[in-house]
Amino acid sequence: GAVVSQHPSWVICKSGTSVKIECRSLDFQATTMFWYRQFPKQSLMLMATSNEGSKATYEQGVEKDKFLINHASLTLSTLTVTSAHPEDSSFYICSALTSGGTDTQYFGPGTRLTVL
Amino acid sequence: KQEVTQIPAALSVPEGENLVLNCSFTDSAIYNLQWFRQDPGKGLTSLLLIQSSQREQTSGRLNASLDKSSGRSTLYIAASQPGDSATYLCAIPYGKLTFGQGTILTVHP
Repeated sequence: GAVVSQHPSWVICKSGTSVKIECRSLDFQATTMFWYRQFPKQSLMLMATSNEGSKATYEQGVEKDKFLINHASLTLSTLTVTSAHPEDSSFYICSALTSGGTDTQYFGPGTRLTVL
Repeated sequence: KQEVTQIPAALSVPEGENLVLNCSFTDSAIYNLQWFRQDPGKGLTSLLLIQSSQREQTSGRLNASLDKSSGRSTLYIAASQPGDSATYLCAIPYGKLTFGQGTILTVHP
């Protein structure tokens, strides 16, 4: 149980285009999902917290107009990188939070974004 | 502010060795601590979660300990195998999940 999927697993796009990444909790409902970014040889950095039915909370330094987050249902959150540039190339990982005492985050497999 | 540090940054050992990865944190008021494994280009796999009331957790060849008073956790891997090669991350929920920088483990045959 507690499986989180991401789609696509990798994407290559041209500079200036927008890319949407989906994060789904497959066998549980998640009122809270998180989006992380990981640059090569670095640890995960939290970008934003996505709450179902409300606006996402962004970490300091993350542009909310560039990284659009939508959490329209209890099993799906999307991250849209708008007007992508080469510096946005990174590994994007989502996680979904379970409840029930342990508040454990389950992570998706990640999406590799390459902007040419 | 919670800060999580992992030592060493990288470790290379021959197959069969027992090894210890270290994680330290600055604020001992934690709910739990989690150890993850990350293979290159992949997401995170949860290995062990230790609640603040626990001192250790075991899963197969893995044993994680927690000493809140000293702000330390260790991940012990017994009889290491080449398949254990990966980056190991510890993380603490502190408002948000705060990660250490990770230890890159290489187990060579």
